[in-house]
Amino acid sequence: DAGITQSPRHKVTETGTPVTLRCHQTENHRYMYWYRQDPGHGLRLIHYSYGVKDTDKGEVSDGYSVSRSKTEDFLLTLESATSSQTSVYFCAIRDRGDGGYNEQFFGPGTRLTVL
Amino acid sequence: SQKIEQNSEALNIQEGKTATLTCNYTNYSPAYLQWYRQDPGRGPVFLLLIRENEKEKRKERLKVTFDTTLKQSLFHITASQPADSATYLCALVRDSNYQLIWGAGTKLIIKP
Repeated sequence: DAGITQSPRHKVTETGTPVTLRCHQTENHRYMYWYRQDPGHGLRLIHYSYGVKDTDKGEVSDGYSVSRSKTEDFLLTLESATSSQTSVYFCAIRDRGDGGYNEQFFGPGTRLTVL
Repeated sequence: SQKIEQNSEALNIQEGKTATLTCNYTNYSPAYLQWYRQDPGRGPVFLLLIRENEKEKRKERLKVTFDTTLKQSLFHITASQPADSATYLCALVRDSNYQLIWGAGTKLIIKP
């Protein structure tokens, strides 16, 4: 998984509680991404970061916030979890592959269930 | 809005045959398109990239074509094997920040 870890790997929580997911990378990549993946949908970008303290919204950012206080960690927070946020969350980094073009490398994912 | 469509139905192919997956897109002119493989319970893994000025790209048993007139990419696996069974995702580069727009993926099942 290209040196990317996510924690926790599984979490069950209740509606209305805050939840923080962590993505950790060891190779000093500048760009990091948070996606959610739901059946019937492609990966949908929640937020991304292009450097320490530099973040921007993706297409489904409502109800989510992020922070990146150091290069290796990108945190995703669900401020008040709702059942619609039950999903699998993937973190990714961007790096140049063999062909010189940008590829994304993914972590193992976090399965979140909001009851 | 930009949209990517992949066949949502699983594709069942006999081992040894060629599997062909389709990715169609609308309202966009991407600079390049990527294909990824995803196994159950894991994140996607990059396979191939094809640029808008390339008609075809090959890597071992994999071949990708890109028709910007039809707004379509085809992904072929020749001499398919049961180990090729997975979900295959296509993704387009969105902008200069290299954000990707993803299709929902097609599940490929190779039967022995």
